[in-house]
Amino acid sequence: AQSVTQLGSHVSVSEGALVLLRCNYSSSVPPYLFWYVQYPNQGLQLLLKYTTGATLVKGINGFEAEFKKSETSFHLTKPSAHMSDAAEYFCAVSPIYNNDMRFGAGTRLTVKP
Amino acid sequence: DARVTQTPRHKVTEMGQEVTMRCQPILGHNTVFWYRQTMMQGLELLAYFRNRAPLDDSGMPKDRFSAEMPDATLATLKIQPSEPRDSAVYFCASGTGGVYEQYFGPGTRLTVT
Repeated sequence: AQSVTQLGSHVSVSEGALVLLRCNYSSSVPPYLFWYVQYPNQGLQLLLKYTTGATLVKGINGFEAEFKKSETSFHLTKPSAHMSDAAEYFCAVSPIYNNDMRFGAGTRLTVKP
Repeated sequence: DARVTQTPRHKVTEMGQEVTMRCQPILGHNTVFWYRQTMMQGLELLAYFRNRAPLDDSGMPKDRFSAEMPDATLATLKIQPSEPRDSAVYFCASGTGGVYEQYFGPGTRLTVT
């Protein structure tokens, strides 16, 4: 079984500041890892994913995440926050052999002018 | 631009009524998921199908919920009878084999009074 813990249900940053959203996972088998973003009144949209290979993964809108097996983490970062980044972000884990994807509780990102 | 579509987008109904939500997955996707999102429980997987066959519906209340795929272009989620605690946003997502990323529809916001 796998699970995801997102540290911090709310994160607030100033425009131009570093964004860091934390995600730790638990999985008994090698996982695939994902970050999704949800804007108000919309569905979830894939930001980036880790499957195999390079542990630093780049996604859309300037976001990236690094898979650290030793820390069972997959934190999401962006060097400089933009007002349009304000949204809810979900980390998700899926075992490599099926579609049983589990989502974290989400982190709401607020960007202050 | 291929997208998952869901109808209706909003539904208000009275307790005890039957509710049917529909989803059209992206053409060529063979896996379909149903999720429910609430403030209290976050994003919950209700059921998923591969090649129209149900693989897992353990997240779904069996006594009132049912999910089907009459054909490859249509998935349905029914609630009968509906209850106020069913009020939530219901998302459909589709995907292919491989790395299991999922593409979400815009959701159906259900309010049961």
